[in-house]
Amino acid sequence: DIQMTQSPSFVSASVGDTVTITCRASQDINNYLAWFQQKPGKAPKLLLYGASGLQGGVPSRFRGGGLGTEFTLIIDSLQPEDFATYYCQQINSFLPNTFGGGTKVEIK
Amino acid sequence: EGQLVESGGGLVKPGGSLRLSCAASGFTFNNAWMHWVRQAPGKGLEWIGHIKSKANGGTTEYAAPVKGRFTISRDDSKSTLYLQINNLKTEDTAIYYCSTLGRTDIWGQGTTVTVSS
Repeated sequence: DIQMTQSPSFVSASVGDTVTITCRASQDINNYLAWFQQKPGKAPKLLLYGASGLQGGVPSRFRGGGLGTEFTLIIDSLQPEDFATYYCQQINSFLPNTFGGGTKVEIK
Repeated sequence: EGQLVESGGGLVKPGGSLRLSCAASGFTFNNAWMHWVRQAPGKGLEWIGHIKSKANGGTTEYAAPVKGRFTISRDDSKSTLYLQINNLKTEDTAIYYCSTLGRTDIWGQGTTVTVSS
């Protein structure tokens, strides 16, 4: 199966900071990547689709990019409601839709 | 607005079987590719597999760790998705979510499966 490796697994940040999360695929997935946010006790929520497409209703401080095997999620000006765990997922329907291991963003 | 409601979780002994259900409403279920995702306690998300819409062949794909023990099926007449889990192992203990994934991004609330003797 395809492997999705996220880094870091944990980040401590303050309100107003910019946070960058990286996701690496074990093989070329073009731009078939999604980013999710999950808060404790809740189902995940889609943030970005196709590596950089912002899902409706998601604030523009969430930005995504990348192609092939390297992808990034950038959160500009971190807000209190952004403290959560973030996951990337490979979304090419011809391959297993593997998730990355997750990145927990905590308040410093 | 679309909604998914899972049911069927519970406490099961190792080696047992369980069938989870996911009832859909508020969207065109028979057109949707449906997925199961699980999350073990304190761990990350794990994609289990999906079933395509009948129009796309209705075929299934599974993650390597669950192939052979997990079976996904659907009943479009009932707008319901199923996950049959056989030969349950302690490592199958998790919250099981059904989801449309994709841009529609509809998730259920999850159903908890606990495998313990």
